[in-house]
Amino acid sequence: GAVVSQHPSWVICKSGTSVKIECRSLDFQATTMFWYRQFPKQSLMLMATSNEGSKATYEQGVEKDKFLINHASLTLSTLTVTSAHPEDSSFYICSGGTGADRGYGYTFGSGTRLTVV
Amino acid sequence: GENVEQHPSTLSVQEGDSAVIKCTYSDSASNYFPWYKQELGKGPQLIIDIRSNVGEKKDQRIAVTLNKTAKHFSLHITETQPEDSAVYFCAASSSSNSGYALNFGKGTSLLVTP
Repeated sequence: GAVVSQHPSWVICKSGTSVKIECRSLDFQATTMFWYRQFPKQSLMLMATSNEGSKATYEQGVEKDKFLINHASLTLSTLTVTSAHPEDSSFYICSGGTGADRGYGYTFGSGTRLTVV
Repeated sequence: GENVEQHPSTLSVQEGDSAVIKCTYSDSASNYFPWYKQELGKGPQLIIDIRSNVGEKKDQRIAVTLNKTAKHFSLHITETQPEDSAVYFCAASSSSNSGYALNFGKGTSLLVTP
């Protein structure tokens, strides 16, 4: 089946530094990549939606200059958390979509646990 | 936008019993309803899904029902086993969401005791 490989699985960084998270669709072309954030014991909250070759669409309240999303190819999307602060510590999850407009194709990565110290 | 409500937030059952989790959605344009199982520290894993043109779907011990008129859908797990213990999320996709993104319920923590 479809697989999205997400790396790293966990990362600890110092406050003020940037962290890049990668998601690769291994056996399909993800025309759309969704990025979610999940705080402990909470649900997944959509941060942004990106289509290959286009600028990402950010949800209300998500700073586009802080969470940089690149979707340069149909198999790779990256999320860069810039100038990270402790409040950015969370579980970040990507989901690759194919044919989402037809109601299918959401393959989730395994998530990245970000801890900012 | 779409609003997905999920109940209960916690559910404890004995091994072998059935578990039912219910969700409601607000957007009548929603057309895809997946259920995910998430274990601690891992990404969500799709366990079953249903589309708006179907009323019920079953896969071994897991079934999902959809009532489009009432805008609710439910997950049914029969003959529960301790390894079913996890957090379960329902979700709904709608054309009103950017890129048909999924909106998630708040999750149900299921505990199956031996």
